[in-house]
Amino acid sequence: AQSVTQLDSQVPVFEEAPVELRCNYSSSVSVYLFWYVQYPNQGLQLLLKYLSGSTLVESINGFEAEFNKSQTSFHLRKPSVHISDTAEYFCAVRCGGTSYGKLTFGQGTILTVHP
Amino acid sequence: NAGVTQTPKFQVLKTGQSMTLQCAQDMNHNSMYWYRQDPGMGLRLIYYSASEGTTDKGEVPNGYNVSRLNKREFSLRLESAAPSQTSVYFCASRAAQQPQHFGDGTRLSIL
Repeated sequence: AQSVTQLDSQVPVFEEAPVELRCNYSSSVSVYLFWYVQYPNQGLQLLLKYLSGSTLVESINGFEAEFNKSQTSFHLRKPSVHISDTAEYFCAVRCGGTSYGKLTFGQGTILTVHP
Repeated sequence: NAGVTQTPKFQVLKTGQSMTLQCAQDMNHNSMYWYRQDPGMGLRLIYYSASEGTTDKGEVPNGYNVSRLNKREFSLRLESAAPSQTSVYFCASRAAQQPQHFGDGTRLSIL
């Protein structure tokens, strides 16, 4: 069985500062990794995903994450955050093989960007 | 572009009442999922349906039942609601080899 740990429950930062949201996973098989973002009173939206290929993946709004197999990590980074990035962020893992697309989520990290 | 639609958006129940949460998707996805979200616990899978006509238990199925009515619809039923089932419930759907798409959630309070 796989598991996901998000190491920080809350991350406060000032606008235009860099941020890193940490995610570690455990799995005995190959994995696919995802970051979802949830704005207040909304559902989850896919931010970026790692399925295969390049270990560095990017989103359209400046976030990036790097798959590190040796450290079993998939940390999310942004070099300069904006007020509108305030949201809760979830890391999720899906195992390869016949998992029927089931996701295991981390506990979530609340990112608060202050002016 | 409706995507995944959940009804109702909010509901308050008394302990012991029954309730069905509805979910429909218009993306012709084969797989559908029900999660609950609780503070500090992320999302936990209740039940899923890999394809029309099949359903399987997830991580936290106790106290719930599901029905995959057709390819579009996947409902979640609480037969006898308990305060521990107070949560935000999310439905999601997925095409093969693609990420899951989520609805906006149903906020359920059980008194």
